[in-house]
Amino acid sequence: EAGVAQSPRYKIIEKRQSVAFWCNPISGHATLYWYQQILGQGPKLLIQFQNNGVVDDSQLPKDRFSAERLKGVDSTLKIQPAKLEDSAVYLCASSLDPGLNEKLFFGSGTQLSVL
Amino acid sequence: TQLLEQSPQFLSIQEGENLTVYCNSSSVFSSLQWYRQEPGEGPVLLVTVVTGGEVKKLKRLTFQFGDARKDSSLHITAAQPGDTGLYLCAGKDMEYGNKLVFGAGTILRVKS
Repeated sequence: EAGVAQSPRYKIIEKRQSVAFWCNPISGHATLYWYQQILGQGPKLLIQFQNNGVVDDSQLPKDRFSAERLKGVDSTLKIQPAKLEDSAVYLCASSLDPGLNEKLFFGSGTQLSVL
Repeated sequence: TQLLEQSPQFLSIQEGENLTVYCNSSSVFSSLQWYRQEPGEGPVLLVTVVTGGEVKKLKRLTFQFGDARKDSSLHITAAQPGDTGLYLCAGKDMEYGNKLVFGAGTILRVKS
């Protein structure tokens, strides 16, 4: 079974530039998450999709971050403009069912460095 | 606000030693999970516990959920270098709509 695919693996940009990340979840997984993991911290939820609808984006800095999941499959996360504090690993995860025994499958992440 | 406190933050031990890491909170969780994350990779789920007092074993790893469902522990017996990694606990907090919240993790290094 193919896992969650993310690209690119690494991205280096200057502050105020734009950047986009792409995620392809496991086939059939209706729930998709974007997490931000700053060095030394645990993953922090940015946005949760159920199919192509947003379930939770309460922690997404909407003045600069946006995400979409067209057709309920692939998703993109965009940052415009980037700030130094956005340097982090951006993880995408998907799951079959968001119940109590939900099992999240994570991609390898995109490591973003903002200079 | 960090809902889940993990301790210790960092642990370095010799191969063959036993260890326990902890995950504590003042919140009650409907379920709690443990993940292991290696450098450059995403977290991988190890276990989910749902019932207060529940104990689950996965080879040399033993997971326990507190009776009040506010805390959990992970015990590793005879640690191996392959156990090296970041151990994250994550809970579904009923007060936050059962959203999964992660702790900051415990970095484990097992030396051969």
